[in-house]
Formats: sequence, C-alpha cells, structure tokens
Amino acid sequence: DAEITQSPRHKITETGRQVTLACHQTWNHNNMFWYRQDLGHGLRLIHYSYGVQDTNKGEVSDGYSVSRSNTEDLPLTLESAASSQTSVYFCASSEGQGGSYEQYFGPGTRLTVT
Amino acid sequence: AQKITQTQPGMFVQEKEAVTLDCTYDTSDPSYGLFWYKQPSSGEMIFLIYQGSYDQQNATEGRYSLNFQKARKSANLVISASQLGDSAMYFCAMREGLNTGGFKTIFGAGTRLFVKA
Repeated sequence: DAEITQSPRHKITETGRQVTLACHQTWNHNNMFWYRQDLGHGLRLIHYSYGVQDTNKGEVSDGYSVSRSNTEDLPLTLESAASSQTSVYFCASSEGQGGSYEQYFGPGTRLTVT
Repeated sequence: AQKITQTQPGMFVQEKEAVTLDCTYDTSDPSYGLFWYKQPSSGEMIFLIYQGSYDQQNATEGRYSLNFQKARKSANLVISASQLGDSAMYFCAMREGLNTGGFKTIFGAGTRLFVKA
C-alpha cells in the first residue's frame, strides 16, 4: 500500500545545530508540503513543492529550507535550530493541481530544541 | 490576516447529539476549495469532507455535512449523532486558485471537540 513516512519520529537537538527531517511518499504525488503544528496556531505551512526542482515558501519559512530532487522525497532542513522551532512537524502530499484532492499526511515528527 | 478562522478553541457535545464546528474564511479568489480534517489524540490527520466554491449543494459524507454559506464565507462542519470516537481536534482548511492549478492549502487553528457519554 502507498504511504507517506517521516523520520525520525522524535528528535531532541541543541540550539544552533543543523537538523534534517525526512519525508518519503510512495503515492507518486507531485505535491508535497511541510507544516508545523503548535498549540493555538493549528497547522502552519512552512514550504511546499509541486514537483521536482520546485520549492515555494509558505507562511513560516524563515529558518527552514527544502529541496526536491525526486518525486518521493522532500526533506526539511533547519539550518540553525532555535528553541522557537520546537514543534510537531507534519509532511503531506496530494495529487494533481487544484480540485478536491485531499492531502495525505505523515505521522509527524516531534522536534525538541534545547 | 487570518485566512481561516475557527473561533471555538474547544467544544463539548453530548453523545448522540449533533454539533456544529464553525469555520470562516477570507479569499477574493472565486475558485477555491474547503476541507475538514480530524486529528484524534493519536496524532494522525484524517480527511473528512470537501466543498468546492462552485458546488451547488452542500457536501455530505456519512455523519458529516458541510454547511456552506458562500456569501457569509463560512463552511461549518456538522457532525450528526456524535459518538465518543468523534472526540478529536478538527481543522478547517482552504485551497485557493483551483481554476489556475492552485494546490497550496492553509489551515485554521482548530477546534477540540469533546464528546460526553
């Protein structure tokens, strides 16, 4: 069965370190997204991509970067982790452009920056 | 400015009763879609229902229906006959620019629903 996975599921890191969160989907979806979830803010869009070599900034992109070298993967990098980036991170993918295509979400990565 | 507003941080409902979760949105795009997702305590995100801006009828999926009032820019989720398993966080989301291939989706802050036995 197709799926979307994230790794690691839990990560503790120190302020200033570079951290990369992995996202891998086997749906063969062109569209991929990264969100962070914080209490009181819901899900906020960090970056998104509609295909290989395409990346776009979302609402809260400062301090984060992504790259899309193939259809299946969209890794999220925190260049220099800050305590404000402690959050739960969700990766998602969707099929097609526009329309009623729902997003399929990964299980989330809980990141703690100390 | 907030594009998706969910004004109810938390709500209680008695089992077997109906409940309405509010969602208002802000867009000037004539072509958009509205989604509702459920997040149980286990953390996964589950798609519930979709409403397109040009859809003539309100969307329904089993016990879920969407009360779409376009002029008021509201897309409230109605859950009929609440069950204990409906206790979860519920998110409203919007995708703009459907007729130009838009796929970026933004979410509201969510409403936590508690179903009482």
